[in-house]
Amino acid sequence: DARVTQTPRHKVTEMGQEVTMRCQPILGHNTVFWYRQTMMQGLELLAYFRNRAPLDDSGMPKDRFSAEMPDATLATLKIQPSEPRDSAVYFCASGPGTGAYEQYFGPGTRLTVT
Amino acid sequence: GENVEQHPSTLSVQEGDSAVIKCTYSDSASNYFPWYKQELGKGPQLIIDIRSNVGEKKDQRIAVTLNKTAKHFSLHITETQPEDSAVYFCAAMDQTGANNLFFGTGTRLTVIP
Repeated sequence: DARVTQTPRHKVTEMGQEVTMRCQPILGHNTVFWYRQTMMQGLELLAYFRNRAPLDDSGMPKDRFSAEMPDATLATLKIQPSEPRDSAVYFCASGPGTGAYEQYFGPGTRLTVT
Repeated sequence: GENVEQHPSTLSVQEGDSAVIKCTYSDSASNYFPWYKQELGKGPQLIIDIRSNVGEKKDQRIAVTLNKTAKHFSLHITETQPEDSAVYFCAAMDQTGANNLFFGTGTRLTVIP
């Protein structure tokens, strides 16, 4: 049963600390997306990769957020320094790409910044 | 960019009844419309999708209809069951080349046994 995995599932940290979230996309998928979900803003796209190359990160606060794909099986989202307003659930999704539009979501990382 | 509106925000139905959730979109160039179901503490799960060259798609108890002229699409769930209770999100795909999904604000469906 292929699925997207994310670690950690929960993270509590203090303001100013670095946070790294990891995602393993479904094997064979060549598109990866990072979303943030909050009650106020709903689901927002932060970054999008195709074949490991970043195609769109316009939704990401550039001064503190960074997203990378060191290899095809790992995507990372880093926040440095973290702020209380970053508290949210962060989802990774992957898709087959190549003319297929489906996106399959992971279970999310619930981040709390105090 | 694309703007997706979703109604209602909450919906309660009796078990066995039908539920309908409606969405409108703003960008006539959008051509892919998925629906997601999100249960508490879980990620959104793709349950059905439709492309703009199709007017209706059905999968067992769920169906989606699309009206391109009016720029709206709907999710229909028949013979609802308590396990259908969840938050449902519609989305539309922006065709700028980035495959971005723009989500509606969600509908909390409660099926009363």
